[in-house]
Amino acid sequence: GAVVSQHPSWVICKSGTSVKIECRSLDFQATTMFWYRQFPKQSLMLMATSNEGSKATYEQGVEKDKFLINHASLTLSTLTVTSAHPEDSSFYICSARAPRTGPQETQYFGPGTRLLVL
Amino acid sequence: AQKITQTQPGMFVQEKEAVTLDCTYDTSDQSYGLFWYKQPSSGEMIFLIYQGSYDEQNATEGRYSLNFQKARKSANLVISASQLGDSAMYFCAMRSNNAGNMLTFGGGTRLMVKP
Repeated sequence: GAVVSQHPSWVICKSGTSVKIECRSLDFQATTMFWYRQFPKQSLMLMATSNEGSKATYEQGVEKDKFLINHASLTLSTLTVTSAHPEDSSFYICSARAPRTGPQETQYFGPGTRLLVL
Repeated sequence: AQKITQTQPGMFVQEKEAVTLDCTYDTSDQSYGLFWYKQPSSGEMIFLIYQGSYDEQNATEGRYSLNFQKARKSANLVISASQLGDSAMYFCAMRSNNAGNMLTFGGGTRLMVKP
């Protein structure tokens, strides 16, 4: 199957710093990528939909100025957590939508990034 | 609005036995897709199986099968011959073909396989 990478896999930072997370589709072009956040023992919550060459679409309750998304190319989307605070500590997962080859359109998930803000 | 409900927060199963993980969904869409993902402790999301709303047969993938009951809006995952490596979180998800192809996830079920 298609491969999606995320970097870094672990981040520990001080409160107030900004953290950038990269999501790359390694063997396919992804016009759409999705960013999710997952708190411990909870489900994945969609934060935003990232479309190449246009502004991201944020879900209700997600601050667009806090979580900056850039989808500059067909293989790369970045999520920047600006002025991170301890409550931003979470597991961030991206997914990339693969080109549709049949009825089943699959999103391929990255391995996730664990962010800990001290 | 779409909603996915997984009523079993945690389940135990004996190794080599079969187990059913429940999933019900709510949607007004006629065309949608249902997915199951496995999330081990490492955090990666592993795609297991897919069922389209118009598929007449239940999907199967190796030891995984999906018991799709459209009228009841349920899409239960059946894992046969459980293995210790099946211990993980399992998420049911739905994609509406009319809602930008986003996935909506259920709350998850933690499956623990006993040796």
